[in-house]
Amino acid sequence: AQSVTQLGSHVSVSEGALVLLRCNYSSSVPPYLFWYVQYPNQGLQLLLKYTTGATLVKGINGFEAEFKKSETSFHLTKPSAHMSDAAEYFCAVSLPNAGGTSYGKLTFGQGTILTVHP
Amino acid sequence: DTEVTQTPKHLVMGMTNKKSLKCEQHMGHRAMYWYKQKAKKPPELMFVYSYEKLSINESVPSRFSPECPNSSLLNLHLHALQPEDSALYLCASSQEQGSYEQYFGPGTRLTVT
Repeated sequence: AQSVTQLGSHVSVSEGALVLLRCNYSSSVPPYLFWYVQYPNQGLQLLLKYTTGATLVKGINGFEAEFKKSETSFHLTKPSAHMSDAAEYFCAVSLPNAGGTSYGKLTFGQGTILTVHP
Repeated sequence: DTEVTQTPKHLVMGMTNKKSLKCEQHMGHRAMYWYKQKAKKPPELMFVYSYEKLSINESVPSRFSPECPNSSLLNLHLHALQPEDSALYLCASSQEQGSYEQYFGPGTRLTVT
């Protein structure tokens, strides 16, 4: 079984400031990790993913995340916030094909609403 | 093209109606998913199809009936829904079940009156 905890349901930053959205996971096997963004009344857009290999992954729109196995974390960062970054962000985990039937199931955190003010 | 399309965008139905939600992808993906998202909550998995066969049913009530007529299409048939079923229904696809990323459609906003 896997679970995801996002610390902070709301994060507010100034335009140009650092964005840091926190995500911790629990998984019985090495998971795949994802960050998705959702704008109001829209579907989810993939920002970035970690599967294997390099632990610092870069995504779209200047976002990046670092997989830290020892801390079971996958925090999302962006050096300089833009007004267009205001949205809800979901961290998600899935299990790779390990022979069971629950693989591929995305389990989401509760989401973090990012507000960017001028 | 990484697009998943869903129709309709909005749907209002009574508790005695029968309606269907449609999802389509042309990326050659062999896994397709239905999620339900209530307001201010994360998406919750309902069903997974892999190679057009139902792989996962997350104990969804029988008033929701999925169908995968071919590898590009996924339907969700709705019958005798309750007001608490009002939500955003999201479809997603991935190369295979358990492969890396899922691509989501824009969703259908369902209101049950």
